[in-house]
Amino acid sequence: AQSVTQPDIHITVSEGASLELRCNYSYGATPYLFWYVQSPGQGLQLLLKYFSGDTLVQGIKGFEAEFKRSQSSFNLRKPSVHWSDAAEYFCAVGRMDSSYKLIFGSGTRLLVRP
Amino acid sequence: DTEVTQTPKHLVMGMTNKKSLKCEQHMGHRAMYWYKQKAKKPPELMFVYSYEKLSINESVPSRFSPECPNSSLLNLHLHALQPEDSALYLCASSQDGREGRSYFGPGTRLTVT
Repeated sequence: AQSVTQPDIHITVSEGASLELRCNYSYGATPYLFWYVQSPGQGLQLLLKYFSGDTLVQGIKGFEAEFKRSQSSFNLRKPSVHWSDAAEYFCAVGRMDSSYKLIFGSGTRLLVRP
Repeated sequence: DTEVTQTPKHLVMGMTNKKSLKCEQHMGHRAMYWYKQKAKKPPELMFVYSYEKLSINESVPSRFSPECPNSSLLNLHLHALQPEDSALYLCASSQDGREGRSYFGPGTRLTVT
């Protein structure tokens, strides 16, 4: 069965510090992988996605993620965090059949210290 | 226009009420979704419409009734809800089943009293 694990429930970083959010997946075939961000009380915004090709994916707001098949991971990174990055981050895996379905991880809440 | 809109933003209803949530997109997307999200949890898929036909129902109780009147609109009709149904209800759309990019609306915060 497909599953997504985000091992960190909370992460706190100082503003300007680098960030890495972990995501591991279990999937029988090549996965389609996504990172979404959700600010409190808001909907989800897609940060980036991986379908195929270059394993280092660039997204919006200065985020990037690297797909590592050998580790079944798709970790999200940002070199310098801004206070506005404080939010909930969800990793998701999707399957591309006629109506695809996203399987979400449990989320990681990012807190940013001034 | 890369926006999914949802109305209302907030809804408080009693257990005997009937209400509807609305979702609209004008991106020409042919797949639309309803998700339910409880506090501090990830979204859970409820329904998927593909080309205006219901293609996935994730064993949702019949007190939730989806409707897709046309390719731009998605409704969720609510009747006889329970307090545990209180949650953020998110609508999303995508080009079709193959693109894999969902645009999410801001959600409707539902409270059942």
